[in-house]
Amino acid sequence: KQEVTQIPAALSVPEGENLVLNCSFTDSAIYNLQWFRQDPGKGLTSLLLIQSSQREQTSGRLNASLDKSSGRSTLYIAASQPGDSATYLCAVDAYNTDKLIFGTGTRLQVFP
Amino acid sequence: SAVISQKPSRDICQRGTSLTIQCQVDSQVTMMFWYRQQPGQSLTLIATANQGSEATYESGFVIDKFPISRPNLTFSTLTVSNMSPEDSSIYLCSARQGTSYEQYFGPGTRLTVT
Repeated sequence: KQEVTQIPAALSVPEGENLVLNCSFTDSAIYNLQWFRQDPGKGLTSLLLIQSSQREQTSGRLNASLDKSSGRSTLYIAASQPGDSATYLCAVDAYNTDKLIFGTGTRLQVFP
Repeated sequence: SAVISQKPSRDICQRGTSLTIQCQVDSQVTMMFWYRQQPGQSLTLIATANQGSEATYESGFVIDKFPISRPNLTFSTLTVSNMSPEDSSIYLCSARQGTSYEQYFGPGTRLTVT
């Protein structure tokens, strides 16, 4: 059974810092991995999608990497801003389920 | 990409009543899903909404409690039946074009049961 874990559960950093969020999954048989952002009480916004054949994807200050063999992905946020404060969720699209399996989330706070 | 809207955005309901949540996608999509997010938790898949047939429910969720309709490729409803305070959650609709495609989410419906 696929399990997805995110570390750390919460993170508080000063503005301007570069930071890394981690996601690990137990079964490497995946189509892709997606990173989402969720603001309090809101829906999810898709940030990056990495296909299983790719190593990384970039969008602005965000860079996500995927190491399928070791079951790990990282989301790198450069020059963090208070507006980045949110919960970040990773989800894997597993071969044998046709559905996304979500991680536990990392709650990020960036203070001025 | 797909833009998804949900109605209502929030509601406060009494125990024992039912609420139907609507989900509208701005383009035809192959797959639609309903998730529940309990306070402080990650997302749990309730069911896959199948166009023209019965939904596929995950373990722990049953059709009598969460009936789902999907009459076409852009619209679905989720009903939360005979509500109790334990049903207080955010309910999220989601859609994608097919397996391995990017998945999009609606803004969610915040339900409080008193």
